[in-house]
Amino acid sequence: QKEVEQNSGPLSVPEGAIASLNCTYSDRGSQSFFWYRQYSGKSPELIMSIYSNGDKEDGRFTAQLNKASQYVSLLIRDSQPSDSATYLCAVKTGNTGKLIFGQGTTLQVKP
Amino acid sequence: DAGVIQSPRHEVTEMGQEVTLRCKPISGHNSLFWYRQTMMRGLELLIYFNNNVPIDDSGMPEDRFSAKMPNASFSTLKIQPSEPRDSAVYFCASSPPGQTIETQYFGPGTRLLVL
Repeated sequence: QKEVEQNSGPLSVPEGAIASLNCTYSDRGSQSFFWYRQYSGKSPELIMSIYSNGDKEDGRFTAQLNKASQYVSLLIRDSQPSDSATYLCAVKTGNTGKLIFGQGTTLQVKP
Repeated sequence: DAGVIQSPRHEVTEMGQEVTLRCKPISGHNSLFWYRQTMMRGLELLIYFNNNVPIDDSGMPEDRFSAKMPNASFSTLKIQPSEPRDSAVYFCASSPPGQTIETQYFGPGTRLLVL
């Protein structure tokens, strides 16, 4: 079992819709969770971090964490074509800064 | 402010040659990470330095790979000898000290092709 799993997609949504990206992780002791966005041919950039169960909102983005289910998700409201990218889920393990990344989900927002 | 700087941006080499990738982290950051990204394996951590000291090199694939950080502003990742399966994008990332250590800032990457 991979440590961090994501559906590779592509996930296709129409412009203006809500995009829902999901991620599961295997290390029950994980405490920190991140979403990175990576445009094609570019480097990953951090868009959200979440540490506690529940929801965390930042503009059109909402991260959701459920540690009991070992599940973290990212919702993008009012999706725009510029949101088309690969979204990487990352989980911090242990006491170091080491991040384990999922394979990423490719999101396509169609005008 | 300048971000993480990597060089070269592209590298094409032949199997068996030595390849050296370079990284300059963001000034003031004390953690540095080397990642490799391929379609098959995704983004994998190769090695992680904190205050110039290697903390975790469990991701280094084999002895052909080595990394150094001689000072706070420079790191190298060397592959010797290179093989076609080493073809990938290699990212360097850095993070600042303190609670934001988990916020990693990625460089633009080096696209390596080994023929």
